[in-house]
Amino acid sequence: DADVTQTPRNRITKTGKRIMLECSQTKGHDRMYWYRQDPGLGLRLIYYSFDVKDINKGEISDGYSVSRQAQAKFSLSLESAIPNQTALYFCATSDSQLALSTDTQYFGPGTRLTVL
Amino acid sequence: GENVEQHPSTLSVQEGDSAVIKCTYSDSASNYFPWYKQELGKGPQLIIDIRSNVGEKKDQRIAVTLNKTAKHFSLHITETQPEDSAVYFCAASTAGGYQKVTFGIGTKLQVIP
Repeated sequence: DADVTQTPRNRITKTGKRIMLECSQTKGHDRMYWYRQDPGLGLRLIYYSFDVKDINKGEISDGYSVSRQAQAKFSLSLESAIPNQTALYFCATSDSQLALSTDTQYFGPGTRLTVL
Repeated sequence: GENVEQHPSTLSVQEGDSAVIKCTYSDSASNYFPWYKQELGKGPQLIIDIRSNVGEKKDQRIAVTLNKTAKHFSLHITETQPEDSAVYFCAASTAGGYQKVTFGIGTKLQVIP
């Protein structure tokens, strides 16, 4: 089984709809992240969480919100989706203990979101 | 904040040739430089990394070099194979706490059989 899973894998929605993307991990990591990937822009950080009670904005958090329901679960919500939120979304995890020497990110398979 | 520039955005090589991808960073405090490979339909996966106290690191056909003075680092793939075709991302961060991991825009590598 995959260590980091994302649901759904693909989603088409309409402008103005609320949508939630979910992420679960079995790696036991305390840190979790949401990124979006756009052609020519690479990976940009939306939100990150160091533990269940910690939520931080990334560089492009406007229009998004997150919830860390448990150490293993981190969800991303688009309250009112708009077409320029069409992108590939990745969840990632890392381990704060390992981060003392490295900060390897472990990515899920991604969710392709299309907003019409 | 940190800014990572990556070149080229696309790269085509013949099978067996070498491929080189270059990145520059702006924050002299960055001390950890990972490279990720993203295959079609999958999330990025770490393939090699280097810390700022090391100038070069090798792992079979891949190697990374780091020039702290010039603030640039490069990925070298030798004897390329079709399975090396993917998107490669460089990144920079400050390990040991939390500083945002900043990624380059990615390089799409195509290895032509």
